[in-house]
Amino acid sequence: GAVVSQHPSWVICKSGTSVKIECRSLDFQATTMFWYRQFPKQSLMLMATSNEGSKATYEQGVEKDKFLINHASLTLSTLTVTSAHPEDSSFYICSATSLRGGSYNEQFFGPGTRLTVL
Amino acid sequence: AQSVAQPEDQVNVAEGNPLTVKCTYSVSGNPYLFWYVQYPNRGLQFLLKYITGDNLVKGSYGFEAEFNKSQTSFHLKKPSALVSDSALYFCAVRALNQAGTALIFGKGTTLSVSS
Repeated sequence: GAVVSQHPSWVICKSGTSVKIECRSLDFQATTMFWYRQFPKQSLMLMATSNEGSKATYEQGVEKDKFLINHASLTLSTLTVTSAHPEDSSFYICSATSLRGGSYNEQFFGPGTRLTVL
Repeated sequence: AQSVAQPEDQVNVAEGNPLTVKCTYSVSGNPYLFWYVQYPNRGLQFLLKYITGDNLVKGSYGFEAEFNKSQTSFHLKKPSALVSDSALYFCAVRALNQAGTALIFGKGTTLSVSS
């Protein structure tokens, strides 16, 4: 159980276009989803926290108008990179927390999406 | 400030030998600690976690980690390394942010197991 999928797994786009990445919890309801960005051989950087039905909370330094996050249901969150530029090329990973009871909610990670902007 | 440190960029070990990947943390309150492994162009796979209880935590693929409160460490260990263990390993701690809780990751340690 607790499977998180991402689509697409990789995408190549032209500079100036927008790209949407989907993150789905397949077998559980996720009240919270997280979006991370990872540069080659570096750690994951938290970009934003997305709660179902409310606006995402962005980390300092992350442009909310550049990286649009929507969490419209308990199983789907989307990240849209608007007007993408080559410096946005990166590996984007989402994670989701379960609605299971208790004070601790484990994060389950998606397989990641490789974005390359030409 | 809440943080995680992985002091080694790379750990090299011969197959069959024991391995240790180091992690220290700084967090207010009781720490929730995690280890994840990442293979090239893949997402993170959960290995193990410490929430409470026994200081020695056993996880997936024969890995274990020891929580040491006095040294604020959570080193990942395996008694006998396999070539297939070669990957990027991340230590993480749950921390509070303005959105609630989030995971703070260390910079990662590349484990290379030679045959």
